[in-house]
Amino acid sequence: NAGVTQTPKFQVLKTGQSMTLQCAQDMNHNSMYWYRQDPGMGLRLIYYSASEGTTDKGEVPNGYNVSRLNKREFSLRLESAAPSQTSVYFCASSQITRQPQHFGDGTRLSIL
Amino acid sequence: DQQVKQNSPSLSVQEGRISILNCDYTNSMFDYFLWYKKYPAEGPTFLISISSIKDKNEDGRFTVFLNKSAKHLSLHIVPSQPGDSAVYFCAASRLEVRGANNLFFGTGTRLTVIP
Repeated sequence: NAGVTQTPKFQVLKTGQSMTLQCAQDMNHNSMYWYRQDPGMGLRLIYYSASEGTTDKGEVPNGYNVSRLNKREFSLRLESAAPSQTSVYFCASSQITRQPQHFGDGTRLSIL
Repeated sequence: DQQVKQNSPSLSVQEGRISILNCDYTNSMFDYFLWYKKYPAEGPTFLISISSIKDKNEDGRFTVFLNKSAKHLSLHIVPSQPGDSAVYFCAASRLEVRGANNLFFGTGTRLTVIP
């Protein structure tokens, strides 16, 4: 039982390049989330999808787009990467009701 | 503006003693609180949660206390074990549009349990 799987685990980009981070969950969860974690900070919500077919902005959405491809998959796209987007990105999933979110192991992204 | 705060970046305790990790929040709309544990190069792992209708929740060695009037919660680990050494994140949520369960995280407390 894999839970939440994120690909790739590591990536280095040059400023201005584009990139899509992939996330898939096998727990039949309705809601999916993308967070970023910067050094010395907590996780901050970028975008979320409460259910298949919906997406909404979180705290820090600028510079990102998302796609809820189906119930299992939720991707995060950087159209024109900037050094300020260097971070660790976590995907999570949960049921709609008051249930804890389950996290993937993260994608470590460096933008030069 | 940080809505969830963990003011102690680090904590060291002896094996077998109690570990107490603290968390404060500012948004009175938060109604569900969670603690996550995180090891290096891994994602956060859910530890324990509490709803705002309760003031205490226990799960084995872990107990979370909620003081709504003070907007404060704490995690007690008794007895502490070396395997508990990790970064602990406090998180809070409120019900969002379409029923999402968005989390607001504190900055984390690094717990070191000394054998």
